[in-house]
Amino acid sequence: DAGITQSPRHKVTETGTPVTLRCHQTENHRYMYWYRQDPGHGLRLIHYSYGVKDTDKGEVSDGYSVSRSKTEDFLLTLESATSSQTSVYFCAISYGQGSTDTQYFGPGTRLTVL
Amino acid sequence: DAKTTQPTSMDCAEGRAANLPCNHSTISGNEYVYWYRQIHSQGPQYIIHGLKNNETNEMASLIITEDRKSSTLILPHATLRDTAVYYCIVRAYGGSQGNLIFGKGTKLSVKP
Repeated sequence: DAGITQSPRHKVTETGTPVTLRCHQTENHRYMYWYRQDPGHGLRLIHYSYGVKDTDKGEVSDGYSVSRSKTEDFLLTLESATSSQTSVYFCAISYGQGSTDTQYFGPGTRLTVL
Repeated sequence: DAKTTQPTSMDCAEGRAANLPCNHSTISGNEYVYWYRQIHSQGPQYIIHGLKNNETNEMASLIITEDRKSSTLILPHATLRDTAVYYCIVRAYGGSQGNLIFGKGTKLSVKP
């Protein structure tokens, strides 16, 4: 257990509404990631963070923003949700730095945008 | 695109060893081989990783060929709870900005 929780675990919302997903870790690791998983696409990186207030974009960052004001929390925000953002969202953390940097994943948030 | 090739699906009898192959013929010298699995509706679970030597932990063994172009994940005594999609990933070291590229993986079905 890597000490990662995600909230909410399930959410249904309407197009155009803002949505914030939270990832919380208990082990003070520097690196945190947000992925989305869709049928036929596998997992794709949205954003990642390498420290408090240090974030960068992944391959599918359009329509998403992130914030990390504390080491333990990494927030993913959909400013105006669209149906194409219906997905399962996974947060990950990495223990190591540099050479191995194994990532460990949270349980996921299933988001449905109607 | 994923840099690995895996069979789409495999079956294994409960209690027997499950041997999951992965081809990564274009692997670079600084790239590790990682294995993850995903049980239905759960987050991906880290299993094991290696560079060139064989590795073993409490979950599995990883056998990497000498030329590093392929590897095999071995679950020594498969149980029904090992039914999952198994992903083989190659990834360079040198910083956490590199993300894990998950291909389609192998769906392992462990049968009683």
